[in-house]
Amino acid sequence: DAGVIQSPRHEVTEMGQEVTLRCKPISGHNSLFWYRQTMMRGLELLIYFNNNVPIDDSGMPEDRFSAKMPNASFSTLKIQPSEPRDSAVYFCASSQGWGQPQHFGDGTRLSIL
Amino acid sequence: AQRVTQPEKLLSVFKGAPVELKCNYSYSGSPELFWYVQYSRQRLQLLLRHISRESIKGFTADLNKGETSFHLKKPFAQEEDSAMYYCALSAGFQKLVFGTGTRLLVSP
Repeated sequence: DAGVIQSPRHEVTEMGQEVTLRCKPISGHNSLFWYRQTMMRGLELLIYFNNNVPIDDSGMPEDRFSAKMPNASFSTLKIQPSEPRDSAVYFCASSQGWGQPQHFGDGTRLSIL
Repeated sequence: AQRVTQPEKLLSVFKGAPVELKCNYSYSGSPELFWYVQYSRQRLQLLLRHISRESIKGFTADLNKGETSFHLKKPFAQEEDSAMYYCALSAGFQKLVFGTGTRLLVSP
């Protein structure tokens, strides 16, 4: 099993551009999570899905952020327009169910210039 | 409200010394607690969970409901233990609440 797969690994773009981060969860996992990691705030949950349905998006910072999960094997996190303060490492994680540990991807290191 | 507190941002010890990474939680229900580890520029990995009561890489953690703590301990630190450690609380609906993390630095 390749684990949770995220792409791209690194993204550098200018402010104002649209950014799309991608995640493929572990096959058979029914929950998917998007996190943002920064030095100042640590690891923050942005949104999570259960069976492809968004359950809690209270961590999404503002309307510039959106996430979708069109099927069980794919999710995107989109930022439009991007701003320098969005620079962070974005992690995707998946799990099999309630109380089960989450498995993380390698993350996407995003730099907005 | 669910909250996880890791009071130390950085813990620096010498190789062979005992290590204790502190974690306190706030949750009115019955918690599920985890420790995750992140080695330099790698993904977060599950280190251990309280429900399994196991020892991984020499680390143990005991849930103390009276003190609402889940401290991570190792009797003899190794250089390869240097990493970022996150305590996390599962507070229903599979949501994990993470602490801000403690960086462990083990010097030779």
